[in-house]
This record gives sequence, C-alpha cells and structure tokens, in this order.
Amino acid sequence: RKEVEQDPGPFNVPEGATVAFNCTYSNSASQSFFWYRQDCRKEPKLLMSVYSSGNEDGRFTAQLNRASQYISLLIRDSKLSDSATYLCVVRRPGYNKLIFGAGTRLAVHP
Amino acid sequence: GAVVSQHPSWVICKSGTSVKIECRSLDFQATTMFWYRQFPKQSLMLMATSNEGSKATYEQGVEKDKFLINHASLTLSTLTVTSAHPEDSSFYICSARDRDLDNSPLHFGNGTRLTVT
Repeated sequence: RKEVEQDPGPFNVPEGATVAFNCTYSNSASQSFFWYRQDCRKEPKLLMSVYSSGNEDGRFTAQLNRASQYISLLIRDSKLSDSATYLCVVRRPGYNKLIFGAGTRLAVHP
Repeated sequence: GAVVSQHPSWVICKSGTSVKIECRSLDFQATTMFWYRQFPKQSLMLMATSNEGSKATYEQGVEKDKFLINHASLTLSTLTVTSAHPEDSSFYICSARDRDLDNSPLHFGNGTRLTVT
C-alpha cells in the first residue's frame, strides 16, 4: 500500500464549479499535511498547509480527519488557471521528509 | 521570499556519462536538502536526504554509488548521476528548508529534466 494515496483523476470541470479532492495516508503518526500544486513540467509549489481544525484560503478549503487518516481539498468557483495537478503531501514523523501522493489532475474548461 | 536555485534546468547526455546537478539556497542556509525524482505521470519519489558536512541518507532502493550526493556548504548540495542510462531519464528536483525558521515550508528548486540517449 502506498504511503499517500490519491485519485489520479482527471477531474474535468467547467469554470465556476466546485470540486473536491481526497487523499488518504497510511502512517497514523504523520505530523504535518500539505497540498501542493504542480503545473506541467514544473516544480511543485505549496498551495496550503492543512490544520486539524480545517483552514480556508480564499477559494480553497482544506480539511484533516486524523481518525480516518484522510485529507481533503475543496476548490470553489474554479478558474481556468486552477488547471494543474494537486499533490497531497505528508511529513513523516520525526523527520523533515515530505512524502508525496501521485497527484490528482484537474482540468477546468470554459 | 526564500529561493532555491537548481542548475541546469535540462540536460541531455549520452549513456555512460555522468551528470552533475546543483541545488543552491539563495537567501537562507540549509543544513538539510532533499533530492526527489519524478517519472512521467508519477509522484515525486524521495531519493535521498543531503546533510551538510556528513554523508547523505538514501531511501531504500536508491543506489548510493550511482547517485552521489555532496553537501559541502550550508547553501549548496550536488547530485551526480554516474554512468547514466536511459532509464535514469527523469525530472530531478531538490528542496531545502531554512534552518533558522521553525516550521518553515520546504522550498523547491525549479527541477532538472535529464534525458539520457
């Protein structure tokens, strides 16, 4: 079983739609959680950290469920520029190492 | 903001040759840097952790003699792919964290696309 699992998609949605991505992780002792965004042939960029109480940044909302070892990302009012691969990332306990999911591809169309 | 510079951005080399990739933290010091590899449509896979002034720590399945890592200063780590083969063709990305800032995020270099012919 992979340490971090995501639905690869692609999710094809129209502009203005709301879309949600899910991610599960296997190590219950994982300490920190993030969503990164990766554009084609580019390095990943931090989108947002995920906190236990849930957090929001503009159109983006992240949730963490430690009991189910599950992380989610909700994007409201999708824009064309949101088209990218969204990577669920988990920090291993006791280390600075980040473990990446394979990513979920989002394609927003007019 | 914090910047990590990676060089070269892309490289094409012949099978059997060696390629060196540099990763520099431009405005912060990093005692630890990480090297990742990404094959098409796959996730970033952690290859090794580069430690300033000491040996790198390699992930299971990564050959340390093939992927030589040197972290000679607090701002520079290098990855050398020795005797490269076509199956080593991949996207290599480094990342680093500011040692002076608690809970600072990892900053990624722009990546190096290696093609071995």
